[in-house]
Amino acid sequence: DSGVTQTPKHLITATGQRVTLRCSPRSGDLSVYWYQQSLDQGLQFLIQYYNGEERAKGNILERFSAQQFPDLHSELNLSSLELGDSALYFCASSPRPGAEETQYFGPGTRLLVL
Amino acid sequence: SQQGEEDPQALSIQEGENATMNCSYKTSINNLQWYRQNSGRGLVHLILIRSNEREKHSGRLRVTLDTSKKSSSLLITASRAADTASYFCATLFQTGANNLFFGTGTRLTVIP
Repeated sequence: DSGVTQTPKHLITATGQRVTLRCSPRSGDLSVYWYQQSLDQGLQFLIQYYNGEERAKGNILERFSAQQFPDLHSELNLSSLELGDSALYFCASSPRPGAEETQYFGPGTRLLVL
Repeated sequence: SQQGEEDPQALSIQEGENATMNCSYKTSINNLQWYRQNSGRGLVHLILIRSNEREKHSGRLRVTLDTSKKSSSLLITASRAADTASYFCATLFQTGANNLFFGTGTRLTVIP
């Protein structure tokens, strides 16, 4: 158990819908990362927050947005969902923002868009 | 793509044998990390090797880094059935985005 929690574990929804994925980092970790893992794209970095501020941006679509709240939990919002958004979404956390930091991954949210 | 590439894509060995996985990347790195993922689960950090290091050990794991060839290898000695998982290398590049780029992974199956 990494100490990172993600909810929900599974999500089934329809195209065009909007969903929110939630992540609670390990106690004391200030940095949160979001990743998407799909069969065709592999593991892709989406976005990173540190202490409430956006720190780095990867291959995140404009239909997707995220934020980190004062209590350090983070939410990833996916809107206008398409079939190709079906994937595993992982959240990871680290104490500090540097990419040399070990990242601790949550169990993931499996999203299926029908 | 800036992603690293692991080789082989899949590896099947008998329990007790050694498993070697390779990772190649394209541009200069700051460090390279190896992660493990059990089927459909989150990734677990295994080991980090910096660009000025050539070899690192952690238990039954041995990682080497050859920056001249832009490649790294992960050796798991005396494999166990519980080592069955996918293994990913992740690179932090010296320039550009300050985030990790994950490779395509090697699927290791250890047969009891």
